[in-house]
Amino acid sequence: GAGVSQSPRYKVAKRGQDVALRCDPISGHVSLFWYQQALGQGPEFLTYFQNEAQLDKSGLPSDRFFAERPEGSVSTLKIQRTQQEDSAVYLCASSRTITGELFFGEGSRLTVL
Amino acid sequence: KQEVTQIPAALSVPEGENLVLNCSFTDSAIYNLQWFRQDPGKGLTSLLLIQSSQREQTSGRLNASLDKSSGRSTLYIAASQPGDSATYLCAVPNSGYSTLTFGKGTMLLVSP
Repeated sequence: GAGVSQSPRYKVAKRGQDVALRCDPISGHVSLFWYQQALGQGPEFLTYFQNEAQLDKSGLPSDRFFAERPEGSVSTLKIQRTQQEDSAVYLCASSRTITGELFFGEGSRLTVL
Repeated sequence: KQEVTQIPAALSVPEGENLVLNCSFTDSAIYNLQWFRQDPGKGLTSLLLIQSSQREQTSGRLNASLDKSSGRSTLYIAASQPGDSATYLCAVPNSGYSTLTFGKGTMLLVSP
């Protein structure tokens, strides 16, 4: 596609609900990243994929967070039993190579009530 | 762990001024540095990518420089316009890793 596409753009969840956020990277981009951005802060790394392999998940804040990229293209970030502190913008980014220029999607804004 | 600081946190200037945004990082063993722009409620747009072998990179009215030895980068915006109003973020790779560490950004407001 022309750019990184994320859905939904906005999600409101009640505390305790599970949510799934989707990312469609730029076609042909091998590397895919998930970042979390709190209000007024820079993005914080969550996890990284090279094709379908999840090579780094050190940034995931708890075991309630899970990400997958089963066919090396679309990725899903799942948050189980959401808490208020999970409220943030979740950004997906992709790059052609691991050291290449990073392209971001518009983000998914999650609000947990 | 890499730490990135951006100064100033916020900047307000009249249209037409030239301005400089600063970024400093603690670990100079980087292979590139990237500047991004973020509009309110939007994702990040890549502005400039400087490879470690380069000292500067230019795109239109934007010029970014990189001094690895001192751990600094500057983004120069010439003849600022109201449309330049946004938050500007710099990001560098963590040493030995592929992930990026971001600064908190500089919020720029250019008034007509």
